[in-house]
Amino acid sequence: GDSVTQMEGPVTLSEEAFLTINCTYTATGYPSLFWYVQYPGEGLQLLLKATKADDKGSNKGFEATYRKETTSFHLEKGSVQVSDSAVYFCALSHPGGKLIFGQGTELSVKP
Amino acid sequence: GAGVSQSPSNKVTEKGKDVELRCDPISGHTALYWYRQSLGQGLEFLIYFQGNSAPDKSGLPSDRFSAERTGGSVSTLTIQRTQQEDSAVYLCASSFRGSGGNTIYFGEGSWLTVV
Repeated sequence: GDSVTQMEGPVTLSEEAFLTINCTYTATGYPSLFWYVQYPGEGLQLLLKATKADDKGSNKGFEATYRKETTSFHLEKGSVQVSDSAVYFCALSHPGGKLIFGQGTELSVKP
Repeated sequence: GAGVSQSPSNKVTEKGKDVELRCDPISGHTALYWYRQSLGQGLEFLIYFQGNSAPDKSGLPSDRFSAERTGGSVSTLTIQRTQQEDSAVYLCASSFRGSGGNTIYFGEGSWLTVV
């Protein structure tokens, strides 16, 4: 069945460091890919998405590119802030179907 | 409403009791999902509704779990004879039609503790 694998956390960075959180997937067909974020004490919210190969999703300085050849959707940010500290979830879905999530990666950014 | 609304936000119950968790999706969203978030378990899919029918209930962990949706809107997740391993945050989400490229919006969750 379909699945999503993320790098394990926690990831601890200093402010202004470069961030990469790896995400790879296994799926039939051509799923849509998502990054969701959960800030401390808050609900899950969509960060960015890409619906077809080579699409780049971007939001709040974060980017991820849908790479079909490597079945990856790595999340990147050039300069993280303390306010980016959260748990990040990679996910995929097919039309009309459910979201399948990775295990989540906790990010902690220190001043 | 403006977002997905869930109630109660927190529930402490004794082992063996039944609990009901309610979800009010975003108005106009036909698709509704229930997930469970446990420590160390990530986000676990439970059930998906399209309108009032559930084409995918493959994630319900046992026959103690059931869910229904009425009027294409509010959904109730019922856990009978609760066990300690049922302790988790139960998340409801909705989207316009099914997922695919459509954004799924999550509620803040119902935190269930079984003692």
